[in-house]
Amino acid sequence: GAGVSQSPSNKVTEKGKDVELRCDPISGHTALYWYRQSLGQGLEFLIYFQGNSAPDKSGLPSDRFSAERTGGSVSTLTIQRTQQEDSAVYLCASSLAQTALGTDTQYFGPGTRLTVL
Amino acid sequence: RKEVEQDPGPFNVPEGATVAFNCTYSNSASQSFFWYRQDCRKEPKLLMSVYSSGNEDGRFTAQLNRASQYISLLIRDSKLSDSATYLCVVGPRFSNYQLIWGAGTKLIIKP
Repeated sequence: GAGVSQSPSNKVTEKGKDVELRCDPISGHTALYWYRQSLGQGLEFLIYFQGNSAPDKSGLPSDRFSAERTGGSVSTLTIQRTQQEDSAVYLCASSLAQTALGTDTQYFGPGTRLTVL
Repeated sequence: RKEVEQDPGPFNVPEGATVAFNCTYSNSASQSFFWYRQDCRKEPKLLMSVYSSGNEDGRFTAQLNRASQYISLLIRDSKLSDSATYLCVVGPRFSNYQLIWGAGTKLIIKP
């Protein structure tokens, strides 16, 4: 079946502009995650959505970052007034749900490569 | 000190050889452990979970050492297609989704 999709695949923007990144999770997956990965670094957790629960926004680096998930499916990550340090690959992942034994498998989208000039 | 540390490599290994690398974690309360594989400019994909007793999946063997707080990945009979970055991932608490990701170990298999 279809995997996680993200758009755009690449985004170049000027400092100070707003950007929107989109994620389409795997159908039926109730959990959705946003991460970012800077060059040569591990993944940095940003935000987590689970079903209809309030999202965990504890990883968002500043109030310029926000995310929504509409209808329990598609999610949009918005970065306002972009800065050069926001340049990274933004990855979205989805999973079925947490299991009693711990985290379940996360399936990643191909990412959006954001470059802020 | 980083919560999850890995040797960035690269490990340059001839095809057919055995290679192993470790990952150390700082939170002794960690409960879940994984190895993910990430190809160049691609998304991470789950390679295998790591269980307390150790586990094997074909040519890949994962081990957990709670006393010394590290996990290991061993690849036998390495193939050119094993070339990738291997990410160590640790779950800080039981049933917690906030995984801590290592920066990865780059592996290059040479013909």
